[in-house]
Amino acid sequence: DARVTQTPRHKVTEMGQEVTMRCQPILGHNTVFWYRQTMMQGLELLAYFRNRAPLDDSGMPKDRFSAEMPDATLATLKIQPSEPRDSAVYFCASGHDGSGNSPLHFGNGTRLTVT
Amino acid sequence: GDSVTQMEGPVTLSEEAFLTINCTYTATGYPSLFWYVQYPGEGLQLLLKATKADDKGSNKGFEATYRKETTSFHLEKGSVQVSDSAVYFCALSSGYNKLIFGAGTRLAVHP
Repeated sequence: DARVTQTPRHKVTEMGQEVTMRCQPILGHNTVFWYRQTMMQGLELLAYFRNRAPLDDSGMPKDRFSAEMPDATLATLKIQPSEPRDSAVYFCASGHDGSGNSPLHFGNGTRLTVT
Repeated sequence: GDSVTQMEGPVTLSEEAFLTINCTYTATGYPSLFWYVQYPGEGLQLLLKATKADDKGSNKGFEATYRKETTSFHLEKGSVQVSDSAVYFCALSSGYNKLIFGAGTRLAVHP
């Protein structure tokens, strides 16, 4: 059963440190999304890619967050410097937009705690 | 812009009770509609979907019908089980698979 893989599952770091989260999308999928989940804000879309090109990253704080897809098997989300308010669960999801209504497949998330 | 509104939780039910979780949407065009479920410590999983008006999505005893006239996609199940306890998210697609989610509704089912 193909699945989206995210690493690490958990990350605890101190304020000011750099954090990198990784995602391996399902082979053959051409869209990749990063979502952040918190109790207060629910699921927020941070950024997404189509065919490895960034389409929209307006949901990300630009001064500290960056998202890239160095190749089709890897997407990264980086926070530098991290702050306590970045504590959340970060989900990666992938899909194929060929039919226009195919579902997204989610990874199990990276739970980030910034102290 | 496009948005999804779903009923606030938590919803607490006894086993075998009937479940309804309301979901309404605002969108330009004709989006596809989805229900996702999230179990503790896991990512979201697709539960069911509908791609056009009057379509009914169904899976594992859950059903939802795409109602264009009321812009709704309510989730129903005739008899819930303890194992259905989870958070349920209604969502619409907004181009390139992009999903816009509701706030989520927590369901707790007691024996």
